[in-house]
This record gives sequence, C-alpha cells and structure tokens, in this order.
Amino acid sequence: NAGVTQTPKFQVLKTGQSMTLQCAQDMNHEYMSWYRQDPGMGLRLIHYSVGAGITDQGEVPNGYNVSRSTTEDFPLRLLSAAPSQTSVYFCASRDAAGGGDTQYFGPGTRLTVL
Amino acid sequence: AQSVTQLDSQVPVFEEAPVELRCNYSSSVSVYLFWYVQYPNQGLQLLLKYLSGSTLVKGINGFEAEFNKSQTSFHLRKPSVHISDTAEYFCAVCAGGSYIPTFGRGTSLIVHP
Repeated sequence: NAGVTQTPKFQVLKTGQSMTLQCAQDMNHEYMSWYRQDPGMGLRLIHYSVGAGITDQGEVPNGYNVSRSTTEDFPLRLLSAAPSQTSVYFCASRDAAGGGDTQYFGPGTRLTVL
Repeated sequence: AQSVTQLDSQVPVFEEAPVELRCNYSSSVSVYLFWYVQYPNQGLQLLLKYLSGSTLVKGINGFEAEFNKSQTSFHLRKPSVHISDTAEYFCAVCAGGSYIPTFGRGTSLIVHP
C-alpha cells in the first residue's frame, strides 16, 4: 500500500495562475479531506468528501474547488491563485465517516504564490 | 460546537526529561480525542486516540494520554524524551456524532541534548 500520495511536493505560482493539487489513496477509504497548514494556525479544513460524487465545504473553502469522481482521487483546484494561498496543503483519508476513525495523511504540497 | 486549545505553542525540554503537552477541549457531548505527530517536512501520523473505556491511553513511541472528562482535558505525556521526539504535536477532537475533527494549533516539542 502506498497510502495517501500527493503531487507535486513543491509548487511556485504567480498570482492569478490556476493549478490542481493531486491526491490519491489506495486504501479504499470513503472519507477524504483537504487541509491547509499555516504557522500558528494549525490545520484548517478546506473541503471534504464522504464518497464518490459527494463533496462539502470546510472552514476555509473560498478560492478552492474539489470534485470526487472516483473513490481513489480527490484533487484540489486553485482557480486564481493569491498570495494568501501560500501554505502547506495536506490531503487525508479514513475508512468511513466515523468520528473515531484514524485519518491517514499524505506528505503534503508546499505552495508558494508570488 | 467543538473546539480544541493547546495551551503551549512551544515546549523546550532536555533529553531524558519527562514532558507533558497540554490539550483542552470544549464540547457538551461525548467526544473522540486524538493526538497526531508531525515530524519535520512530513505529514501527520496518529500517536494515540481515545474513543471510550479506560481513560489512560497508550500510544506509539512511549507516549500516553489521559482523558479527564471533568477538566475537559487530554494531556499527552512521556516519561523520558529522546532527540527524535522533536516534532509538532496536534490534539484533535470529534464531538457529538460529528465526523469532522477539529485540530488544535499545535505544540512544537523541542528536545535539547
């Protein structure tokens, strides 16, 4: 099992550019989510999905889009990058939508927006 | 509503000394509680979790945590730390049937030789 994989590891964008952060898991997990991590802010939830075709907004969804066409993949799209989106992005998955289940995190994507 | 407060943003400690990282949560209903660790330039991984039953929970790498319902706390402890324990530690809570955890802001544990 590769677990949760994320690509790219690093990315530099100019303001206004768009890009997609990729996330895939091979554990057949139903629940997937995207977080951003900023110094002193901990992890903040951007979007999440409880299964293929079902997505919902988290705490900080503005400027980001997601879709879930398969169980394995959960890409995060930045439509028009802004410097405020400079952050480290983590994708996570877990077996089901149970509050007690362990989340498995990817290694992260470090994004800089100039 | 659920929330988590990690009282210390940074905890410096010498190698082989004991350490306690504090976590308090706010919820009026039953909770699931977690501690995750993030080593430098890596993703988070689970240290331990409390779902129900015994209030003392043992995790990986010699860490343990105690659930205290009356004080709404879930402090993480280790009797003797190593240099390799230097990392960021996150407390998280999932309350009242919610399946979306809330994370604290993290505590940076710095172990000095």
